Amino acid sequence: EAAVTQSPRNKVAVTGGKVTLSCNQTNNHNNMYWYRQDTGHGLRLIHYSYGAGSTEKGDIPDGYKASRPSQENFSLILELATPSQTSVYFCASGGINTEVFFGKGTRLTVV
Amino acid sequence: AQSVTQPDARVTVSEGASLQLRCKYSYSGTPYLFWYVQYQRQGLQLLLKYYSGDPVVQGVNGFEAEFSKSDSSFHLRKASVHWSDSAVYFCAASITGYQNFYFGKGTSLTVIP
Repeated sequence: EAAVTQSPRNKVAVTGGKVTLSCNQTNNHNNMYWYRQDTGHGLRLIHYSYGAGSTEKGDIPDGYKASRPSQENFSLILELATPSQTSVYFCASGGINTEVFFGKGTRLTVV
Repeated sequence: AQSVTQPDARVTVSEGASLQLRCKYSYSGTPYLFWYVQYQRQGLQLLLKYYSGDPVVQGVNGFEAEFSKSDSSFHLRKASVHWSDSAVYFCAASITGYQNFYFGKGTSLTVIP
């Protein structure tokens, strides 16, 4: 069964600190995505990737970087975390003519 | 600009009643359309998808959705809801079907006994 695993599941970070959210997929999907979910906004696309070595900006990329070192792994990096980045982050993977599979989410709190 | 709109942020229905959750899309062409469900503190799970053909598509757990090109809509329906259907439902669209998904803001469904 398709699997997308996010780590950590919960994270508390300090303002100005660096945060890395990790995502691993065992689906051999080319496409991977990072979304954030906030009340009243639904899911908003931060960064995405079409394959190892590629990253693309989504709709709200400011304050975030992404890294896709391999087919399986896609990280979201907050170099200088701010309280406005407190949210639930979802990673997803998908391929051509397949559905998109989501991880269970990472709850990030920036204090 | 491409967008997906779910006009109802919250819906409450009684168990056993019928359900319709609304979704409208705005795209230059006809996108691929999806409904996802999110149970509390879980990731999103696919309920159903529409690519082409019969405008009524069947999904899991008795859900179905109807595509209307004239109305730019993709409403989700269920004939008789169960308390376990309480969740947040997201409508989504993609022009390719596998990239760059746009999500609505979600509709929180509460089923009361």
